[in-house]
Amino acid sequence: DQQVKQNSPSLSVQEGRISILNCDYTNSMFDYFLWYKKYPAEGPTFLISISSIKDKNEDGRFTVFLNKSAKHLSLHIVPSQPGDSAVYFCAASEGGATNKLIFGTGTLLAVQP
Amino acid sequence: GAGVSQSPSNKVTEKGKDVELRCDPISGHTALYWYRQSLGQGLEFLIYFQGNSAPDKSGLPSDRFSAERTGGSVSTLTIQRTQQEDSAVYLCASSLEGGMKTQYFGPGTRLLVL
Repeated sequence: DQQVKQNSPSLSVQEGRISILNCDYTNSMFDYFLWYKKYPAEGPTFLISISSIKDKNEDGRFTVFLNKSAKHLSLHIVPSQPGDSAVYFCAASEGGATNKLIFGTGTLLAVQP
Repeated sequence: GAGVSQSPSNKVTEKGKDVELRCDPISGHTALYWYRQSLGQGLEFLIYFQGNSAPDKSGLPSDRFSAERTGGSVSTLTIQRTQQEDSAVYLCASSLEGGMKTQYFGPGTRLLVL
């Protein structure tokens, strides 16, 4: 049972345009959400997070939106750059002492120059 | 500063053999996590260590998997009698402590069981 779902395995956008990556979850106990970026042969790199008490968090070109009623979050990258090309993972946690992360299967973003 | 390091970076082994994977967390980080990523899948939680507390082993897929963390720093993940389905990238992460703290990942160990 996939608790965190990224239904788009890949996305292609033009440089300078907006990239929107989507993530859905099923567990209403999740209260902390993160996005990680991963290049080939490297470990995931933390990008941005959001607590369930917020509906938006912004950091430079990256903005994460959370819609709790729809159990949906999205990552917006604007403007997109070729260096953003990577696999993006959505992750969620119930918080608490362990904070184990439940990951989606990832979306491969290709930003075309 | 130094990030999370893992060794070996790649490991090829024969079915039935035991393997040990090593993780050196970021200095000062008390929380340590192991995850694995099988082909085409997201990362799957395996085990969590925090200080001297009993580890959370709820993600270990079978009793062939075990992990230890000596001296609150370096961790070793051991897989006994490896099977082909154990082939995956094994990732280690550390954070300042448990709870809502950012987890920083190492580059992973790519394990292939023939």
